[in-house]
Amino acid sequence: DSGVTQTPKHLITATGQRVTLRCSPRSGDLSVYWYQQSLDQGLQFLIQYYNGEERAKGNILERFSAQQFPDLHSELNLSSLELGDSALYFCASTGGDRGYTGELFFGEGSRLTVL
Amino acid sequence: DAKTTQPPSMDCAEGRAANLPCNHSTISGNEYVYWYRQIHSQGPQYIIHGLKNNETNEMASLIITEDRKSSTLILPHATLRDTAVYYCIVRVREAGTASKLTFGTGTRLQVTL
Repeated sequence: DSGVTQTPKHLITATGQRVTLRCSPRSGDLSVYWYQQSLDQGLQFLIQYYNGEERAKGNILERFSAQQFPDLHSELNLSSLELGDSALYFCASTGGDRGYTGELFFGEGSRLTVL
Repeated sequence: DAKTTQPPSMDCAEGRAANLPCNHSTISGNEYVYWYRQIHSQGPQYIIHGLKNNETNEMASLIITEDRKSSTLILPHATLRDTAVYYCIVRVREAGTASKLTFGTGTRLQVTL
């Protein structure tokens, strides 16, 4: 158990819809990362927050957005969903009280299926 | 971050040591070598990291060459549960700020009976 909690574990929705994925980082971790992994694809970095502020952006579509709240949990919002958005979405946290960012701890992921 | 090169796949018999190589010839002096693994459809799992000295923990050992241009992750007694994709990543280890951690294609390790 990494200590990172993601909900929901599975989500099935239709094209054009909007979903929100939630991530609770390890206790005390300040940084939250979001990754996307499509079928047989590598992990694609989407976005990263540090203590509530956006710090790095990867290949995140404009239809996607994220935020980190004062209690440090994060949400990834996916809108106008397309079939190609079907993927595993992972959240990871790191930092603790020293803020080191190399050792990421990943949640078990949210599997999104768009029909 | 420095680029890494790993073999796409490897096999290992259960109970034997699995030695996973990684080349990082352009590594900078302040960059660490990190290893993660991903068991099918699970979240990636941090294994170990090192700068220049060899490192060992309960999961694995990391051997870094003296010139730091390559490294080897060693699973001393591989089990079927070690079947996974193993990622070698080279990056700066920095406090207070953050940057993206980029995963390549890794090495798919298959442990067999």
